[in-house]
Amino acid sequence: EAGVAQSPRYKIIEKRQSVAFWCNPISGHATLYWYQQILGQGPKLLIQFQNNGVVDDSQLPKDRFSAERLKGVDSTLKIQPAKLEDSAVYLCASSLLLAGGRETQYFGPGTRLLVL
Amino acid sequence: GENVEQHPSTLSVQEGDSAVIKCTYSDSASNYFPWYKQELGKGPQLIIDIRSNVGEKKDQRIAVTLNKTAKHFSLHITETQPEDSAVYFCAASISNDMRFGAGTRLTVKP
Repeated sequence: EAGVAQSPRYKIIEKRQSVAFWCNPISGHATLYWYQQILGQGPKLLIQFQNNGVVDDSQLPKDRFSAERLKGVDSTLKIQPAKLEDSAVYLCASSLLLAGGRETQYFGPGTRLLVL
Repeated sequence: GENVEQHPSTLSVQEGDSAVIKCTYSDSASNYFPWYKQELGKGPQLIIDIRSNVGEKKDQRIAVTLNKTAKHFSLHITETQPEDSAVYFCAASISNDMRFGAGTRLTVKP
């Protein structure tokens, strides 16, 4: 079974520029998550989708971050404009949607962003 | 919201020794507790998980214990090997809302 795919793996941009990340979840996984992982910290949830609807975006800095999952499969996360403090690894994860909400999340390799 | 604390932040052991990592959580409604291993340049990989109706789970050299009353859970790795060296994260989840600890960098010295 193919895992969660992410691209690009690395990105270097200057502050105030825009950047977009792409994620393809495991086939059949209805729930998709974007996390931000700053160096030396655990992942922090940015946004959670269930199919093509947003379940939780309470920690997404909406003035500069946006995400979409139009067809309920792939997802993109965009930052516009980027700030120095956005330098981090952006992780995508997916899980099945079953009753009880205790499903395992499977992570992709992440996109490492450096903002100069 | 849920708050997960993890310690120690770094742990160094000799090959063959055991390693223990501990986490506490704040929300008694949390019902799912996975542990992830993250190697350099890779995403977190699930190594073991435990659900709130179970007190202990073991998978070969790895075991996890859960004390719901005290709101803490622990990861135990026995007979450590150099390839166990990585950053380990605990997490606590309520309805797929998962909060992670800050991580423990485990180094296993040959």
